[in-house]
Amino acid sequence: DAGVIQSPRHEVTEMGQEVTLRCKPISGHNSLFWYRQTMMRGLELLIYFNNNVPIDDSGMPEDRFSAKMPNASFSTLKIQPSEPRDSAVYFCASSLTGPYDFSLPNTEAFFGQGTRLTVV
Amino acid sequence: QKEVEQNSGPLSVPEGAIASLNCTYSDRGSQSFFWYRQYSGKSPELIMFIYSNGDKEDGRFTAQLNKASQYVSLLIRDSQPSDSATYLCAANYGGSQGNLIFGKGTKLSVKP
Repeated sequence: DAGVIQSPRHEVTEMGQEVTLRCKPISGHNSLFWYRQTMMRGLELLIYFNNNVPIDDSGMPEDRFSAKMPNASFSTLKIQPSEPRDSAVYFCASSLTGPYDFSLPNTEAFFGQGTRLTVV
Repeated sequence: QKEVEQNSGPLSVPEGAIASLNCTYSDRGSQSFFWYRQYSGKSPELIMFIYSNGDKEDGRFTAQLNKASQYVSLLIRDSQPSDSATYLCAANYGGSQGNLIFGKGTKLSVKP
């Protein structure tokens, strides 16, 4: 498998523009996670889906952020309007797990290569 | 507020030495703990996880968990220059293994 695939790898946009980040999880995985990484705050969970359903979006910073998972093989994270403080690396990760089966083996989360977003 | 704390480093050790990385967590409700390695400009990759008190060994890596002290550590034996990276400690509070709260990471440098 090619792993978790994110696009684009780099995005530079102007403040106020809409930004859409895309993620293709590993085939067969049923949980998907969006993380954001900055120097100041480290790696933060924004939202996660299980079986395409959002389970916890408490990490989404503001209403400007939204995420969807229309099917098992695709998810988007949208920022509208974007602001300079949104500049970060956004990671998507996926895993094979039930919502509460944390102790099962081989259920680790695999991360994509990330999208480096710069809002100027 | 659930938090995971790590010393940011950098931690510098000579090649062949033991590197010791430490982590504390704030909420006793945490159920399992993870160590990820992240090379500069790359994505995090899992080294190992632990959810029972005590030690867990995997090759040159040993994770240690003390729930009473809310303390997690990672020992790297026979450190190699290729181990130079940022090590992220994370806690899971239930749900999927990807539902994690991360520390800000400790930067490890292994000198030849």
